Amino acid sequence: GENVEQHPSTLSVQEGDSAVIKCTYSDSASNYFPWYKQELGKGPQLIIDIRSNVGEKKDQRIAVTLNKTAKHFSLHITETQPEDSAVYFCAGYTGTASKLTFGTGTRLQVTL
Amino acid sequence: GAVVSQHPSWVICKSGTSVKIECRSLDFQATTMFWYRQFPKQSLMLMATSNEGSKATYEQGVEKDKFLINHASLTLSTLTVTSAHPEDSSFYICSAPPAQTNEKLFFGSGTQLSVL
Repeated sequence: GENVEQHPSTLSVQEGDSAVIKCTYSDSASNYFPWYKQELGKGPQLIIDIRSNVGEKKDQRIAVTLNKTAKHFSLHITETQPEDSAVYFCAGYTGTASKLTFGTGTRLQVTL
Repeated sequence: GAVVSQHPSWVICKSGTSVKIECRSLDFQATTMFWYRQFPKQSLMLMATSNEGSKATYEQGVEKDKFLINHASLTLSTLTVTSAHPEDSSFYICSAPPAQTNEKLFFGSGTQLSVL
């Protein structure tokens, strides 16, 4: 089955700096890669996603890049703000299994 | 965006009792819903796939008699934790895909279950 690895597990940046979270996946058949933001005590919120036929996608301060050959994808957050502090999960979707496999999560702390 | 509502947000129960958690898709119909479990500082672990009008599909290692799932309508799935024990204490989260494919999931707000 699919295996998604995520790094780093914790990340601390100063407000205004950029943050990058990286994920790798094992199943070359995976074709959809969402990113979720989870605040304490809440359910995950979809913040951006990318399909395997696209290399990069941007939405304001967040962007995701995908390298199919290397089987890795990354989340980029620019001009970080304190409200960006949360746990971020990457995931990979394989049509054959018809389910999402989540990474282990990255705890992002944006300090003033 | 699609809205998934989950209730209750938290519940405390005595050991041996049963607890029911509801998951509703508010602005779309969902033939499939997913139930996850999350321990503190860990990732989401899929427990089961809820299918409208048919039996749920459970992941390996998940006791189907302990975690009863009912998906009686296109907008409601329920998870009942039967004969709960302290080790069942966890954060339970449901999700549903608004589209025909199951890839893009929207999550409920989660239910924190504490079993005394």
